[in-house]
Amino acid sequence: NAGVMQNPRHLVRRRGQEARLRCSPVKGHSHVYWYRQLPEEGLKFMVYLQKENIIDESGMPKERFSAEFPKEGPSILRIQQVVRGDSAAYFCASSLIPDTNSPLHFGNGTRLTVT
Amino acid sequence: TQLLEQSPQFLSIQEGENLTVYCNSSSVFSSLQWYRQEPGEGPVLLVTVVTGGEVKKLKRLTFQFGDARKDSSLHITAAQTGDTGLYLCAGAGNNRKLIWGLGTSLAVNP
Repeated sequence: NAGVMQNPRHLVRRRGQEARLRCSPVKGHSHVYWYRQLPEEGLKFMVYLQKENIIDESGMPKERFSAEFPKEGPSILRIQQVVRGDSAAYFCASSLIPDTNSPLHFGNGTRLTVT
Repeated sequence: TQLLEQSPQFLSIQEGENLTVYCNSSSVFSSLQWYRQEPGEGPVLLVTVVTGGEVKKLKRLTFQFGDARKDSSLHITAAQTGDTGLYLCAGAGNNRKLIWGLGTSLAVNP
């Protein structure tokens, strides 16, 4: 069984470009979460999606950031007009049910570097 | 705002030593999860504790949830180099969101 697959593993973008991060959840999981991690800040929740719906985007900046989880295909985290402060590791996790007692399965992350 | 504080932030020990790391809050959590994250990888769930006072063992790792469900500890016996990593705790908060600690970075030296 494949776990959560994220690609690319590393992404380098110049300031002002767009970054698209992809996440394929565990087969059968319909709940996807995106987190951002900086060494000094730990894991920060960004957005929680269920198929075709954004459930909670309270951790995602209102500008430049968007996320989707279409009926078919992977979840996408999109960052427009990237700035140096967007450099971080972005992790996707999926779960079978949305309850907080349910284990989260994490991918190995996309490391975004903005030059 | 619910917060989880993990201590110590960094820990470097020799192989064979015992250690305990802590996850503390002033808030009550309905459950608490412990994850280990190795460099370049995503966090992997180790255990979920649900009941106040609960103790769970995973080989050389012992997890305890405080009686009041506000804190938790992870004790590792006879640490091995393979235990090296970032240990993260995450509590199920009031609004059913996971609240994450900043982690304890453990280095076990041969």
